[in-house]
Amino acid sequence: DGGITQSPKYLFRKEGQNVTLSCEQNLNHDAMYWYRQDPGQGLRLIYYSQIVNDFQKGDIAEGYSVSREKKESFPLTVTSAQKNPTAFYLCASSDRSLPQHFGDGTRLSIL
Amino acid sequence: GENVEQHPSTLSVQEGDSAVIKCTYSDSASNYFPWYKQELGKGPQLIIDIRSNVGEKKDQRIAVTLNKTAKHFSLHITETQPEDSAVYFCAASRGYSGGGADGLTFGKGTHLIIQP
Repeated sequence: DGGITQSPKYLFRKEGQNVTLSCEQNLNHDAMYWYRQDPGQGLRLIYYSQIVNDFQKGDIAEGYSVSREKKESFPLTVTSAQKNPTAFYLCASSDRSLPQHFGDGTRLSIL
Repeated sequence: GENVEQHPSTLSVQEGDSAVIKCTYSDSASNYFPWYKQELGKGPQLIIDIRSNVGEKKDQRIAVTLNKTAKHFSLHITETQPEDSAVYFCAASRGYSGGGADGLTFGKGTHLIIQP
């Protein structure tokens, strides 16, 4: 089955800790994206990558980091510098002529 | 940057009636406008999209219209059913080929409630 897999579904972070969210796709898409969703809000773009070994900051990149070493993987690290990390994180992918397809998200909470 | 406004935030309609959700955008260079449906605890699912060279697109009970001059686009759902209840998001992008390669800017969502 082709799709986007995000893991874990739920994640808890202690104060001062970095955590990494996984996103894997087997759709052979070039571009991948990370969005953050807060309750009652739309999605906001954190980072995106149009090709392996390259990525760009979105609207709210501060406190986050990414890597794109493989076409199918785009992990997101929420660093201790992100002071309000509690949110629903969504990963998406697309090809040049296709719309973005989303995974089912990771819900991050602070302990 | 782009700014997308979406109205209403909540919409309640009787089953079988039509529902209309409206969005406006600010960046005249935006050329791709998708609509997503999100159910509780899930990721958004694309339901329909439209590119700037088209004024209207229809897929069964769902249609989208685009007015580039006024910079607004709308989602129309006819003959609503209970399974249409969800949160709907509009979005805009200036990405090449309309695929949103530069990322999407989303509206804040509309909670659609279908009353039996």
